[in-house]
Amino acid sequence: DVVMTQSPLSLPVTLGQPASISCRSSQSLVHSDGNTYLNWFQQRPGQSPRRLIHRVSKRDSGVPDRFSGSGSGTDFTLRISRVEAEDVGVYYCMQGTHWPPLTFGGGTKVEIK
Amino acid sequence: QVQLVQSGGEVKEPGASVKVSCKASGYTFTSYGITWVRQDPGQGLEWMGWISGYNGNTKYAQKLQGRVTMTSDTSTSTAYMELRSLRSDDTAMYYCARDRSGGSAGELLHWGQGTLVTVSS
Repeated sequence: DVVMTQSPLSLPVTLGQPASISCRSSQSLVHSDGNTYLNWFQQRPGQSPRRLIHRVSKRDSGVPDRFSGSGSGTDFTLRISRVEAEDVGVYYCMQGTHWPPLTFGGGTKVEIK
Repeated sequence: QVQLVQSGGEVKEPGASVKVSCKASGYTFTSYGITWVRQDPGQGLEWMGWISGYNGNTKYAQKLQGRVTMTSDTSTSTAYMELRSLRSDDTAMYYCARDRSGGSAGELLHWGQGTLVTVSS
């Protein structure tokens, strides 16, 4: 199975400052169809996960443009340009290229300093 | 709008079975699949398996093979996840999420609200 490794585990951020989360996969996530199935999810306390970004960099409808995704192959990044209070939660990367199974990163907890 | 509404929380004894439902609305059930994901208390997300809403094909996580069965009822647009021989480490929040019908790539745009299953004697 593809192992997804996120860092850092915890990310204290000052309001209005940028934040960056890294996600690395144990194998390239480029699918034979040419797509890279790497998604990012946000999970606020007490809520279900919410997809923010799909296929590395495609922001989902309703997701603020301060969220962006980038990367290729095995290295991916989620960036928040200016952290707001509502961004507190745990962020997960997930690969769908080498399904089954889907595999998730261990999560990064974003909190306000 | 797309909605996935899950059944209520359950408390089960070790060795028992649980069946969680996920009722879909707002889209054509047979055009998509359902992925099940669980989350241990305070922990990360774990893929459990997938079922096609089109033909009922399934894929399960290796660690759950033999204990989990996913089914669907197209007449009611409802997917089910049954887990047998429950253990204390099956205590978790269980989520359903909409996926592709022909095989997953982890689309997971729409999620249910979660069902807490507690295994305790």
